[in-house]
Amino acid sequence: GAGVSQSPRYKVAKRGQDVALRCDPISGHVSLFWYQQALGQGPEFLTYFQNEAQLDKSGLPSDRFFAERPEGSVSTLKIQRTQQEDSAVYLCASSFGLAGNYEQYFGPGTRLTVT
Amino acid sequence: KQEVTQIPAALSVPEGENLVLNCSFTDSAIYNLQWFRQDPGKGLTSLLLIQSSQREQTSGRLNASLDKSSGRSTLYIAASQPGDSATYLCAVNTGNQFYFGTGTSLTVIP
Repeated sequence: GAGVSQSPRYKVAKRGQDVALRCDPISGHVSLFWYQQALGQGPEFLTYFQNEAQLDKSGLPSDRFFAERPEGSVSTLKIQRTQQEDSAVYLCASSFGLAGNYEQYFGPGTRLTVT
Repeated sequence: KQEVTQIPAALSVPEGENLVLNCSFTDSAIYNLQWFRQDPGKGLTSLLLIQSSQREQTSGRLNASLDKSSGRSTLYIAASQPGDSATYLCAVNTGNQFYFGTGTSLTVIP
């Protein structure tokens, strides 16, 4: 596709449910990032992939958060046993080359609401 | 940890004015700095990317400058238009991680 796509765009989960958020990066982009954006705040880094390798997961807030990119393209962010504090917009971004050298292109985000 | 601050938090200007948005960061060891705009309910759109070795970048009515040693960047918008109304975010890259400011919410009044 022409840009980064994310699905679903909106997700409502009951506390304790597991959710899976999908990111389709721009074709051929090596780097993929996940961010969490709370209302009125800037995005906060969660994790970074270079192809299929997860090189940095230091931003994941707890062991309930898990991300994968098994074939180096599509990525999934999974949140287990969701809590109310997980409510946020989850943004995915990709870039052509290695992290730090190229522009990031963002998807529209998935707005997660935990009730 | 890198801290990124954007001032002002909100700005309202009449159409046609030139304006400057500010971004400051605490650690000058950065690879690059990127400016984005975010429209309500939307993702981020890249505006300008400045590498650490560069001093400024220009795109149309936008000009971004970078003074790495003092930890500052500015985004200059010339002849503002109502369509420029959005939140503007800066992000600094320290390697694998990008650190964002909280943004400046800009309203351009027709």
